[in-house]
Amino acid sequence: AQSVTQPDIHITVSEGASLELRCNYSYGATPYLFWYVQSPGQGLQLLLKYFSGDTLVQGIKGFEAEFKRSQSSFNLRKPSVHWSDAAEYFCAVGTTSGTYKYIFGTGTRLKVLA
Amino acid sequence: GAVVSQHPSRVICKSGTSVKIECRSLDFQATTMFWYRQFPKKSLMLMATSNEGSKATYEQGVEKDKFLINHASLTLSTLTVTSAHPEDSSFYICSATTGSPYNEQFFGPGTRLTVL
Repeated sequence: AQSVTQPDIHITVSEGASLELRCNYSYGATPYLFWYVQSPGQGLQLLLKYFSGDTLVQGIKGFEAEFKRSQSSFNLRKPSVHWSDAAEYFCAVGTTSGTYKYIFGTGTRLKVLA
Repeated sequence: GAVVSQHPSRVICKSGTSVKIECRSLDFQATTMFWYRQFPKKSLMLMATSNEGSKATYEQGVEKDKFLINHASLTLSTLTVTSAHPEDSSFYICSATTGSPYNEQFFGPGTRLTVL
């Protein structure tokens, strides 16, 4: 079955510390991969995306993610977290055949300590 | 580019009434639009996929008679929640895609529905 797992429901980091949010997927082929951020009561903002090519993807707000095919992972990283990064983060898989759709992970809520 | 709008952003209605939510692609023609539902502190769940001029395809467990979707043009899709009840209260998000080249979806800002 196609699925996306974000193992960490909540993560708390101190401002200035590094961050890594995990995302693993189950899909029969190489999917398209996305990370979105959502502030309370707001819509989704795209942080970065992977379609093909270089497996290290740079995004907005200093975020990057690395696609590791062997691990079926697409972890999101940021070297130094800012208080404004506190939000909900969603990993999503875009299917590449059949019915085209996105499958979202359950989300990781990031809290940043001053 | 690739802007998607939703209207209204918030709506409060009485139980038993119907509510219509519009989703528009402002600067591109969307071959396919999607409707998602998000419960508080939960992820997005795909409700249905709609193609212009065709009937929507609903995900398993979504009542097609409760959630009516119309995709009358390449820039507009509507979701009508019929005979709304408090359990229909949720955050509804639409997205749109041109299909090419990667079926990338562009998301609207969402509509908060509260049914009293």
